Amino acid sequence: DSGVTQTPKHLITATGQRVTLRCSPRSGDLSVYWYQQSLDQGLQFLIQYYNGEERAKGNILERFSAQQFPDLHSELNLSSLELGDSALYFCASSVGLAESYNEQFFGPGTRLTVL
Amino acid sequence: SQKIEQNSEALNIQEGKTATLTCNYTNYSPAYLQWYRQDPGRGPVFLLLIRENEKEKRKERLKVTFDTTLKQSLFHITASQPADSATYLCALLNYGQNFVFGPGTRLSVLP
Repeated sequence: DSGVTQTPKHLITATGQRVTLRCSPRSGDLSVYWYQQSLDQGLQFLIQYYNGEERAKGNILERFSAQQFPDLHSELNLSSLELGDSALYFCASSVGLAESYNEQFFGPGTRLTVL
Repeated sequence: SQKIEQNSEALNIQEGKTATLTCNYTNYSPAYLQWYRQDPGRGPVFLLLIRENEKEKRKERLKVTFDTTLKQSLFHITASQPADSATYLCALLNYGQNFVFGPGTRLSVLP
């Protein structure tokens, strides 16, 4: 158990809908990262927050947005869902900034299926 | 263009042998490189981190090397066991940018 929690575990929805994925980092970790993993794309970095502020952006679509709240939990919002958005979404956390040689602790993931 | 590649999609080895996995990158300037293990349907688990100014790191049966001239990292598991069977991912943090993960190598250790 990494100490990172993600809810829900599974999500099935229809195209065009909007969903919210939630992540609670390990106690004491200030950085939160979001990743998307699909069979054909591998693990893709989406976005990173550090202590409530956005720090780095990867291949995140404009239909996706995220935020980190004062209690350090984070939410990833996916809207106007398409079939291709079906994937495993992972959240990871680390103590400090990525540049500080911190390891990342990954949550169990949310499996999103768009029908 | 920027690329990170891992030597093969799948690797089968006999129990007790040393498994060697390769990670190559192109047009990145990594501050450091990490190796993770991922089991099916689960999140990656951190194994080792090696900085750009380090040549080698060890942890129990694991060893990682980093050659910034060749733009390559090698990951070794000595005395491999069936329990080592998993997908292994390399990841780099590019200066001024973000994390990039390789596609992974699926290792099977046969008893």
